[in-house]
Formats: sequence, structure tokens, C-alpha cells
Amino acid sequence: SQQGEEDPQALSIQEGENATMNCSYKTSINNLQWYRQNSGRGLVHLILIRSNEREKHSGRLRVTLDTSKKSSSLLITASRAADTASYFCAPVLNYGNNRLAFGKGNQVVVIP
Amino acid sequence: DADVTQTPRNRITKTGKRIMLECSQTKGHDRMYWYRQDPGLGLRLIYYSFDVKDINKGEISDGYSVSRQAQAKFSLSLESAIPNQTALYFCATSRSNSYNEQFFGPGTRLTVL
Repeated sequence: SQQGEEDPQALSIQEGENATMNCSYKTSINNLQWYRQNSGRGLVHLILIRSNEREKHSGRLRVTLDTSKKSSSLLITASRAADTASYFCAPVLNYGNNRLAFGKGNQVVVIP
Repeated sequence: DADVTQTPRNRITKTGKRIMLECSQTKGHDRMYWYRQDPGLGLRLIYYSFDVKDINKGEISDGYSVSRQAQAKFSLSLESAIPNQTALYFCATSRSNSYNEQFFGPGTRLTVL
């Protein structure tokens, strides 16, 4: 499959803990993006990491990319109840007009 | 005001009816996309357009058609709706660069009875 594949698909943690999600993909990419979706709403772009980058930070988010293993991870530090959402990784392929190959999503529940 | 808007937000229709979903954007982006989301399947690309004269099929275009009426408007039509087209539909936009960061509308929940 060309899609990103998130792991685990569901995660439940206590507020204040860190949440880590992984994403694997199979083809050459231009960049990889992570999106968040609150229940029934549109996706919101969180962070983008280019294929020549290994790590990137944005606020409480930390993304890593290992192109040799074709994998990425998203870490949310000091989670809050408001972080409860589905998180999608989207590898941007080097072909097909750079389309985003969304995974099925990772449901994260942060318990207050 | 929202940058990417979709109308209607919810629609219930019957099998065989023609349905049009509309998307408008004020972001000034060239590229626009239509996705559908089904539980457990993630987002799948239906059609996309890189400018007013450009239309491209995505992964699952059968049963759908699109029209790019202007840079800011991209509509999705179901000529004869069927129950397995019941889904959440999203419009998205992006700039003309290689990174393809996308901005999504709020979605249209379509139910076909």
C-alpha cells in the first residue's frame, strides 16, 4: 500500500503523560506531514518534516523521520485533554503530483 | 471567517438522486482536492485540480464528477447517488509548491438512503 500506516491505531493515556505514535510507509517521499482531526471535523495540519530532515519540533510536538527505515514518529509531550483526537500521518509521494497518502489514523484519548 | 468552506454541511438524500457538494476558499490557493472519509479507511482522494483548467482523477473517482468554476470554487457531483457513497466528504486546498501542505474544510456528512 502507498498509504502511511499508523501504529498503534488507538492509544489511551492520562493527562500529563507523553503520547507517541508511529507511521510507516513504503515508497520514496518528498516530505511527511501529520494532521489532527477532532471528531467529525476537518483535518488540521500539525507539522511537516522534509525528507532531508531527521527531527523537528513545534511546541509540544516532536516529529522524527528515518528514511532508511521508512518510518516517522510523532511525540506529544505533557498531553492535555484537548489533545484527544485522531492523528493522521501523510507521506507526500515523489510521484503522482506529490499527493498525500493518508493513513487510517490513530485515535488518541487523553483522560483528564 | 473560515478559509475553506463547504456547503451543505449535512445532507440526506435518496438513491438515484443527483447531489452537488460545493467548496469555496479565500486562501488564494491554486490547488483544490476532494476526499471522502469512511470509518476505518482513512481519507481517500476522489479528484483534484491544480488550476481552473486542470482536473485529475484520484484513487476513487468512479461515480463522481467535479467542476472547477473558478480558482476559489471546486464542486463535487454525484450524478446518481448510491448508499455506499454515504461518507464524510472533505475539500482541501494547497499552494503550488512541492510540499503540498493542505488546508481542509469542515466537511459534508452525506447520507444516501
